[in-house]
Amino acid sequence: AQRVTQPEKLLSVFKGAPVELKCNYSYSGSPELFWYVQYSRQRLQLLLRHISRESIKGFTADLNKGETSFHLKKPFAQEEDSAMYYCALSEPTSGTYKYIFGTGTRLKVLA
Amino acid sequence: DAMVIQNPRYQVTQFGKPVTLSCSQTLNHNVMYWYQQKSSQAPKLLFHYYDKDFNNEADTPDNFQSRRPNTSFCFLDIRSPGLGDAAMYLCATSNPTALAGPKNIQYFGAGTRLSVL
Repeated sequence: AQRVTQPEKLLSVFKGAPVELKCNYSYSGSPELFWYVQYSRQRLQLLLRHISRESIKGFTADLNKGETSFHLKKPFAQEEDSAMYYCALSEPTSGTYKYIFGTGTRLKVLA
Repeated sequence: DAMVIQNPRYQVTQFGKPVTLSCSQTLNHNVMYWYQQKSSQAPKLLFHYYDKDFNNEADTPDNFQSRRPNTSFCFLDIRSPGLGDAAMYLCATSNPTALAGPKNIQYFGAGTRLSVL
C-alpha cells in the first residue's frame, strides 16, 4: 500500500543548528514528493517539491529512491522555521492527483 | 489575493445534527478536495470533485456527502455527526489542466475546526 512515514512527531533544535526532517515512502510507481509547511495559525502551503530540485528558505530535499526517502534539510535553522512540516506523495487518480500525507513533524527552533 | 476560503473557521454542532462546511475559491481550479484531519494525524482525503465529477475515497463513511454547485464553491455535509467526526476539515484545490507549471500542487484553505457536543 502507498504510505508516507514521518517518524518524528517533534524535533527541537537550537538556532543555527542543522535540521533534518525525515520522510520515508512506500510507492509502487515513480513517486512525486512534496514538503508542505504550516506556520502557526496559517494554512498549509507548499514548501518544495522534489521535481524542481530547488532550495526554498534554505531548505532542500533530495529524493533517494534506493532508501525510499525524501528528507528535508537545512544547514542552519532559524527561529522562523518553527512550524509543522508534512511530507506528501502525489498519486494519479481520476484524471488528476491526490496526496497521501505523512503525520507531520513539529519543528521547534530554540533561541 | 486569489485564495481558498473556508467558512466558518470554527463550527460547533450537536450530536446527530446535520452540519455543512463551505469552501470557496477564486483560483478557478478544476479540482476541489476535502480532507479530514484529526489531532496528531495526517490529513485524510475524503473525496474530491473534478469539475462536476464526484470521486469518493473507498473508506469515506456514507455520513459524509459533498456538493459542488459551481466552480467556485464546494460544500461538505455531515448528515449525522458523531463524536468521532470532531476534527479539522481542510479544503484544497488544484489545476491539473494548467498549461504551464506544475499540475499537482494543491492550495489549501485555513480549515474549519468542527466540534461535536
